[in-house]
Amino acid sequence: TQLLEQSPQFLSIQEGENLTVYCNSSSVFSSLQWYRQEPGEGPVLLVTVVTGGEVKKLKRLTFQFGDARKDSSLHITAAQPGDTGLYLCAGAVVGGSTLGRLYFGRGTQLTVWP
Amino acid sequence: DTGVSQNPRHKITKRGQNVTFRCDPISEHNRLYWYRQTLGQGPEFLTYFQNEAQLEKSRLLSDRFSAERPKGSFSTLEIQRTEQGDSAMYLCASSLRPTGTASTDTQYFGPGTRLTVL
Repeated sequence: TQLLEQSPQFLSIQEGENLTVYCNSSSVFSSLQWYRQEPGEGPVLLVTVVTGGEVKKLKRLTFQFGDARKDSSLHITAAQPGDTGLYLCAGAVVGGSTLGRLYFGRGTQLTVWP
Repeated sequence: DTGVSQNPRHKITKRGQNVTFRCDPISEHNRLYWYRQTLGQGPEFLTYFQNEAQLEKSRLLSDRFSAERPKGSFSTLEIQRTEQGDSAMYLCASSLRPTGTASTDTQYFGPGTRLTVL
């Protein structure tokens, strides 16, 4: 079982549409990070959220950390083909044996068609 | 800022051979992590170092796997007697956690080493 459940697993949309990706868990996280990964490359950090209820914006991307620090969402406004990629959420569990070890979701594969 | 680098980027080997991967973290980062990623999955934790000390190893890391970070800078991950199930992307990440703090650090990943075991 995955500690972090991401949904949807696949998302295929037209350019200009909005979308939301969800990352949920029953565990509490001290922080949660979102990454984007291209085929054959390592994950590239997009954002880190640490405070319950925190909202961060990165151009057309909006990230939210749940009040209880168990879930997070990524919203993309007016998606563009350049947003295509695998979006991964990853969290560091509160009280985990390895401080800083990240638990990853399986990812959401986003494809934006022109 | 040179980022995290990993070598080689690709490795093809025959079953039973030994392979070694190298990771050079962002300079001055005191923590270094190894993860493994298979197709359709997110990265899974293997082990991590704080400076030169290996502080934890996942149960995923069998006896055939060994990792070192001899001077607290670069790290190597060796797999002995490779098996086809070892085929995966091996990712290295580094972070800077100031000593004496409880805050969570942000991990920066390298481009990975793609291992294919025939």
